[in-house]
Amino acid sequence: DVKVTQSSRYLVKRTGEKVFLECVQDMDHENMFWYRQDPGLGLRLIYFSYDVKMKEKGDIPEGYSVSREKKERFSLILESASTNQTSMYLCASNGADRANEKLFFGSGTQLSVL
Amino acid sequence: GDSVTQMEGPVTLSEEAFLTINCTYTATGYPSLFWYVQYPGEGLQLLLKATKADDKGSNKGFEATYRKETTSFHLEKGSVQVSDSAVYFCALSDRSGGYNKLIFGAGTRLAVHP
Repeated sequence: DVKVTQSSRYLVKRTGEKVFLECVQDMDHENMFWYRQDPGLGLRLIYFSYDVKMKEKGDIPEGYSVSREKKERFSLILESASTNQTSMYLCASNGADRANEKLFFGSGTQLSVL
Repeated sequence: GDSVTQMEGPVTLSEEAFLTINCTYTATGYPSLFWYVQYPGEGLQLLLKATKADDKGSNKGFEATYRKETTSFHLEKGSVQVSDSAVYFCALSDRSGGYNKLIFGAGTRLAVHP
């Protein structure tokens, strides 16, 4: 069974902390994505990566960075967490061609910044 | 830019009622269209998709038809069950820049009561 695995289901951090959210996929997908999900706003794209060490900004990249050192792993980094970054974070992956455009999602990480 | 608009929720129905969740889109080119579902405590999973005009996607009793003339992809089910209670997201594929990104609507929460 194909899988996108996020390292934590729930996370509580303090304002100003550096936070790492990890995501691993086992489908050899070229593309990986980080979204945040907030009530009434749907899913908003933070960053995505189309290859190892390659990244593109999404719609709301401010306050975040990403790292993709290996094809299967994509990390989201909050350099200095703030309360307005309290949210559900979803990782997803898909292939590079149209036949593999279906997105596979992880279960999400609910981050609370106090 | 491309965008997806779906009806606001929550939608509350009795078991065996007919369901419609409206979705309209704005896009350049010829995107694929998707419906994703998110059950409580889980990530998103693909419910159905359509890749070209007049295609009908279907799965688990749900259907949606790709209508280019009205730029719509409304989700329907003839008889809902309590187990259909979830959040439903309409999405389109954005291939600008050569990447397989998906753009999501805000989501519609469905609650089905016995």
